[in-house]
Amino acid sequence: DGGITQSPKYLFRKEGQNVTLSCEQNLNHDAMYWYRQDPGQGLRLIYYSQIVNDFQKGDIAEGYSVSREKKESFPLTVTSAQKNPTAFYLCASTPENTGELFFGEGSRLTVL
Amino acid sequence: EDQVTQSPEALRLQEGESSSLNCSYTVSGLRGLFWYRQDPGKGPEFLFTLYSAGEEKEKERLKATLTKKESFLHITAPKPEDSATYLCAACSGSARQLTFGSGTQLTVLP
Repeated sequence: DGGITQSPKYLFRKEGQNVTLSCEQNLNHDAMYWYRQDPGQGLRLIYYSQIVNDFQKGDIAEGYSVSREKKESFPLTVTSAQKNPTAFYLCASTPENTGELFFGEGSRLTVL
Repeated sequence: EDQVTQSPEALRLQEGESSSLNCSYTVSGLRGLFWYRQDPGKGPEFLFTLYSAGEEKEKERLKATLTKKESFLHITAPKPEDSATYLCAACSGSARQLTFGSGTQLTVLP
């Protein structure tokens, strides 16, 4: 079945460490997105990519980095520069540039 | 600045007790209003897109409507399996310009 796979589902990190969250899709979608979800807040856009080898900052990109070397893959690195990284991270894709997003199951990052 | 506000934050219903969730939006040039369902610990699942005032969409016990300032998600005779957080999002252009509300957590008691 086609879909978006995020891994790991749960991740614990010590302060000062970088961690990378994986996002893979087999839907053949061009556009991919990373969102952050915190309790009581709406989803906030971190980075997005509309084509291979190109990506743009979203509303809260500071302390994060991404790459898009393959159409299927859009990994997110949470760097030590991110001040409050504990959150639920969601990867999404869309076949066209619309709001009908397909989401992965999310990765929950906890900083110890 | 685009804003989306959902109310109530949480809603508890008895099975079969119909109700509505509200999504108020302030967007410069609405290109689409989207509803998603999110189960605990999972990613959101797309439900509906509404494009213009007066439009309605239905799926099983759910019906979404749109006015120039609000969208409503009506739940008719809900069942416990309808328990979830319902998110709405307004789009003012491309998918990059999608603003999400904080959601309504719906609990349907048997």
